Amino acid sequence: QVQLQESGPGLVKPSETLSLTCAVSGYSISTDYYWGWIRQPPGKGLEWIASISHSGTTYSNPSLRSRVTISADMSKNQFSLKLRSVMAADSATFYCVRLGYQVIDYWGQGTLVSVSS
Amino acid sequence: QSVLTQPPSVSAAPGQKVTISCSGSFSNIGINFVSWYQQFPGTAPKLLIYGNDKRPSGIPDRFSGSKSGTSATLGITGLQTGDEADYYCGTWENGLSVFGGGTKLTVL
Repeated sequence: QVQLQESGPGLVKPSETLSLTCAVSGYSISTDYYWGWIRQPPGKGLEWIASISHSGTTYSNPSLRSRVTISADMSKNQFSLKLRSVMAADSATFYCVRLGYQVIDYWGQGTLVSVSS
Repeated sequence: QSVLTQPPSVSAAPGQKVTISCSGSFSNIGINFVSWYQQFPGTAPKLLIYGNDKRPSGIPDRFSGSKSGTSATLGITGLQTGDEADYYCGTWENGLSVFGGGTKLTVL
C-alpha cells in the first residue's frame, strides 16, 4: 500500500521560504509515476503546485513557477517543495500526491502551513 | 477562480439520487480524462472516479461518472448521510492538473 507523509514547519514568516518534504513508503519513487504537491487554502478549493517524474522531469503551476522548486531524493524515497517569498495568501493545507495517468491516486494526509509574523 | 466550473452546493434526501456537474473546455475536459474526489472536513481528498467513469477498488457502485464533450457528471444513488462531503472534479490541461471549485453535498 502506497503511503505519503508530509513534514515541515507549520508556521513560516512572510517573505521567507516554505519547505516541505514528502516521505513515500510502499513504492519507490524512482520506478514510475509523477509525484507532486497540491494546496488548499482554508475553506477553499484545490490548487496544483508542481510535480516531478520518476526521472526528474518537473512541471509547475505557471502562477507559482517563479517561486517554486520541486526536487526528489531517490535514495531516501522522498521529494520536497520549496516556495519562496511567501505571503499570507500562501497559507494552506499542503498535500503531497502520486499522479498516475491523468489521475491523482494517492494523497498524503496534508499539513497545514500558516504564513504569519 | 477555478478552471473547471461546479455548482457550489447540491442537496437531496436520503435514498435519493443526486448529480454534480463539472464544466470545462475542449483543452481540458474535452481531450482528457476526468476524475472525481471526495473530501470530508479535515481530511485529504480521496479518489472516487477516474478515467471518466471508472471506480477504484472499494468504491461502491452507488457512485458513477460520465463525460460528454466538455462536461462531466458525478452521480450518487441511494444517498446516505455519510455521503455528506465536498466533491471535486479534476482533469488536465497542457499537462497540468486543474480542478473545479468543489461542490458541497448536503443530505437532508
